[in-house]
Amino acid sequence: NAGVMQNPRHLVRRRGQEARLRCSPMKGHSHVYWYRQLPEEGLKFMVYLQKENIIDESGMPKERFSAEFPKEGPSILRIQQVVRGDSAAYFCASSLFRGQANYGYTFGSGTRLTVV
Amino acid sequence: TQLLEQSPQFLSIQEGENLTVYCNSSSVFSSLQWYRQEPGEGPVLLVTVVTGGEVKKLKRLTFQFGDARKDSSLHITAAQPGDTGLYLCAGVSADGLTFGKGTHLIIQP
Repeated sequence: NAGVMQNPRHLVRRRGQEARLRCSPMKGHSHVYWYRQLPEEGLKFMVYLQKENIIDESGMPKERFSAEFPKEGPSILRIQQVVRGDSAAYFCASSLFRGQANYGYTFGSGTRLTVV
Repeated sequence: TQLLEQSPQFLSIQEGENLTVYCNSSSVFSSLQWYRQEPGEGPVLLVTVVTGGEVKKLKRLTFQFGDARKDSSLHITAAQPGDTGLYLCAGVSADGLTFGKGTHLIIQP
């Protein structure tokens, strides 16, 4: 596992459908962060998860969005009943321990969601 | 809410020229990071500056952290087309990383 793996790279959904974005952290990392990037905007924090726990979801919209990081398997960002405004690039980052921000995060290549 | 303002938003210059981009905030951060993002990819960490007044060099890139740890600058000497990308600064605090909107840099051959 050379880095943070995200899939799919591109996802097209019709309005009202569900979108599932997957993130496999770097080997040994148990902390995952999801960010959303809109055109002409910086990366906006959405949620921070540790294995089986949501630590901080202050950046997550209250409705339609959910995230999980199960004991086994990748972290999933789920968007229900997508709308055009959900079209964006979604990035995942991981870290070995909490408070590693000082050392920088390793980001995946992102999933570009397009809602038509 | 901690905000990071980056300027300029867009910059297009000729190969070989020098440039400086800025990252400013009204908040103090424990450290500040610069990332570079290419189209279709995620941000890649370039440097972390920690101490007020600190200067770090990465080949033709020079990063400086303001004395009050609220602002930073990135200077590129003799820019090359390969430097083209989105440059993001991010402030580190107890809340994690707060990103600016970035500077879109285009180096024309």
